[in-house]
Amino acid sequence: QKEVEQNSGPLSVPEGAIASLNCTYSDRGSQSFFWYRQYSGKSPELIMFIYSNGDKEDGRFTAQLNKASQYVSLLIRDSQPSDSATYLCAVNRPRTYKYIFGTGTRLKVLA
Amino acid sequence: DAGITQSPRHKVTETGTPVTLRCHQTENHRYMYWYRQDPGHGLRLIHYSYGVKDTDKGEVSDGYSVSRSKTEDFLLTLESATSSQTSVYFCAISESAYSNQPQHFGDGTRLSIL
Repeated sequence: QKEVEQNSGPLSVPEGAIASLNCTYSDRGSQSFFWYRQYSGKSPELIMFIYSNGDKEDGRFTAQLNKASQYVSLLIRDSQPSDSATYLCAVNRPRTYKYIFGTGTRLKVLA
Repeated sequence: DAGITQSPRHKVTETGTPVTLRCHQTENHRYMYWYRQDPGHGLRLIHYSYGVKDTDKGEVSDGYSVSRSKTEDFLLTLESATSSQTSVYFCAISESAYSNQPQHFGDGTRLSIL
């Protein structure tokens, strides 16, 4: 089992719809969860981070964390073609300085 | 944007040659990381540093070494480059790993080993 798993996609959604991206992790001790956006040929860019169970909203983005089920998700409301990118989930590895990344989900927002 | 500069941005070199990539930060962050990114594998940790002269291995450290002689610079060296080290290399920094601060990435170095 991979430490952090994401569906590779592509996930295709129409413009204006809600895109839902999911990530599961294996270590119950993980406490910090991060979402990055990566455009093709560019570096990962931090979108959001979440530490506590529940929802955290920032503009069109909502991160959701469920530690009991070991998943974290990212919702993008009113999706735009400019949201088309690969979204990386990252989780801290407990008791280390390390972060583990999923392989990313490619999102395509269709105009 | 976090002040992280990677150099060079692109490099083509031959098998067997040594290569050094540089990561320079202006944020005075303690933690610095080197990753490689390859299709199907995502970001994989090569080495990281938790302070000046304090470094440790990541998951894919074979064939790589690092040095950090001052807070702002973290160097990654491929001692004898191989074609399997053709990749995109990213440097990342974090203010505090144990208190779970996020990482911020440099623009990357695209390295081709012929």
